[in-house]
Amino acid sequence: GAVVSQHPSRVICKSGTSVKIECRSLDFQATTMFWYRQFPKQSLMLMATSNEGSKATYEQGVEKDKFLINHASLTLSTLTVTSAHPEDSSFYICSARDRGRPDTQYFGPGTRLTVL
Amino acid sequence: GEDVEQSLFLSVREGDSSVINCTYTDSSSTYLYWYKQEPGAGLQLLTYIFSNMDMKQDQRLTVLLNKKDKHLSLRIADTQTGDSAIYFCAETMNSGYSTLTFGKGTMLLVSP
Repeated sequence: GAVVSQHPSRVICKSGTSVKIECRSLDFQATTMFWYRQFPKQSLMLMATSNEGSKATYEQGVEKDKFLINHASLTLSTLTVTSAHPEDSSFYICSARDRGRPDTQYFGPGTRLTVL
Repeated sequence: GEDVEQSLFLSVREGDSSVINCTYTDSSSTYLYWYKQEPGAGLQLLTYIFSNMDMKQDQRLTVLLNKKDKHLSLRIADTQTGDSAIYFCAETMNSGYSTLTFGKGTMLLVSP
């Protein structure tokens, strides 16, 4: 089946530093990738939609200068949390829509970010 | 706007059937999904159903859709301890090209 990977799975960083999270579709081409944030015991909150070769579309309330998204190829999207602060600590999950099966989204395993 | 509601918790004994319910408000929902999330992990797509279907069965999983009442359910037959997880209901419109709207998730606890 369709596999989406994320790297790293867990990261701890100091306040003020930037962190890059990668999302890859391993066995399919993803024209669209999504980035979600999940707080403890909460549902997923969509942060942005990323289309290959174009600028990401951010949801209301999400700072695009803080959460930089790049979707440079059909198999890779990156989320960079710039100047991270403790309130950015969260579980970040990406998903990818299969170009050949637009009716489904496949999710990555998530990245646990802890900002000290 | 779109809204998806789920009960937060369900506890069953191993071997029993589990039924997780979900209601949604958007009558133009086209695709409805069930995802499973184990602790510390991402989401795993379990199954999905088109809005023009009433039922879909896949091994131990049965999805029922009542479009009139905007009610979706997931039945897990012969529930196992490995089924313990959070189950998310989600919906989307426009043949899957738009974004997913998730419910808050139902925590299923299966006791031996």
